[in-house]
Amino acid sequence: EVRLVQSGAEVKKPGESLKISCQGSGYNFANYWIGWVRQVPGKGLEWMGIIYPDDSDTRYSPSFQGQVTISADKSINTAYLQWSSLKASDSAMYYCARGGFIAPDYWGQGTLVTLSS
Amino acid sequence: SYELTQPSSVSVSPGQTARITCSGDVLAKKYARWFQQKPGQAPVLVIYKDSERPSGIPERFSGSSSGTTVTLTISGAQVEDEADYYCYSAADNNRAVFGTGTKVTVL
Repeated sequence: EVRLVQSGAEVKKPGESLKISCQGSGYNFANYWIGWVRQVPGKGLEWMGIIYPDDSDTRYSPSFQGQVTISADKSINTAYLQWSSLKASDSAMYYCARGGFIAPDYWGQGTLVTLSS
Repeated sequence: SYELTQPSSVSVSPGQTARITCSGDVLAKKYARWFQQKPGQAPVLVIYKDSERPSGIPERFSGSSSGTTVTLTISGAQVEDEADYYCYSAADNNRAVFGTGTKVTVL
């Protein structure tokens, strides 16, 4: 069974750094693109970027280039999304999804990031 | 343009047929997917390659395509089908877009 399990909810202050994770199981993690999708409460879905864990080839959507960093560690079947300096506008639910831009299929359960001063 | 447009809402009575359209120039050349998202849950893939249904998805969900429009049809809608539905398409591994989303109400 394919599963993507994400790290728990976070409450942070503007300016702080953050790294959230997504661990895959039930498939060959290294050989599937995996990416991150943002959903602001009450709004739609937006791709942030994707990574191919086997060689760390990474692609970013233009809106998120330079704003976040996507990485992966294939030895522990885990992908990451990180911010160096959070902004209030980063408050959202973040999902990981297997399959990249071309063929997203399985999704993680989501990680809620809340910014509070 | 690289946008996918959906109606904001669709209402249907239980047992009736709901149709959700998605329009965009990219759909004339690329396949579409449909995702169902229930409140507080992650999206679930219900249709891929315009009309293919993943295993475990009920047969009442079907998809079709014509030109620059794709359609998700729920035949015999059930109360548990109430959700937001998003169409999706990707030009390549550098560019992809979700539709604007449609809230389906079954009552």
